[in-house]
Amino acid sequence: DSGVTQTPKHLITATGQRVTLRCSPRSGDLSVYWYQQSLDQGLQFLIQYYNGEERAKGNILERFSAQQFPDLHSELNLSSLELGDSALYFCASSDRDGGYEQYFGPGTRLTVT
Amino acid sequence: SQQGEEDPQALSIQEGENATMNCSYKTSINNLQWYRQNSGRGLVHLILIRSNEREKHSGRLRVTLDTSKKSSSLLITASRAADTASYFCATGSMDSNYQLIWGAGTKLIIKP
Repeated sequence: DSGVTQTPKHLITATGQRVTLRCSPRSGDLSVYWYQQSLDQGLQFLIQYYNGEERAKGNILERFSAQQFPDLHSELNLSSLELGDSALYFCASSDRDGGYEQYFGPGTRLTVT
Repeated sequence: SQQGEEDPQALSIQEGENATMNCSYKTSINNLQWYRQNSGRGLVHLILIRSNEREKHSGRLRVTLDTSKKSSSLLITASRAADTASYFCATGSMDSNYQLIWGAGTKLIIKP
């Protein structure tokens, strides 16, 4: 158990809908990272927050947004969902700002039908 | 962008044999890390090697780093069925603002 929690574990929704994925980092970790993993794309970095501030952006679509709250939990919002958004979404946390060990949650499996 | 490239993409060996996976990268790095992912689960950090280190051990894992060749290898000795997983390398670099750059992974299958 990494200490990182993600909810929900599974999500099935229709195209055009909006969903919110939630992540609680390990106790004491200030950085939260979001990743998307699909079969044909591998692990894609989406965005990082450090102590409430956005620190880095990867291949995150404009339809996606995220935030980190004062209690350090983070939410990833996915809107106008398309079939191609079906994937595993992972949250990871670390005690430092980028470049070091990351601890991954169990993931949220999103299926868009 | 994917900096690390693992080789081979897939590897199937008998239980008890050693497994070696390689990772190549393109820019100078601060550190290189290896992670394991069991099917459909979150990645687990295995080991981190800094750019000024050449070799590191952790249990049955041995990681080497050759910065002149921009490559690393992960050796798993005396493999077990439970080692069946995908293995990813990731590099931390000032060039990428210290964001980890991930490879596509090596899928390792240990046959009983």
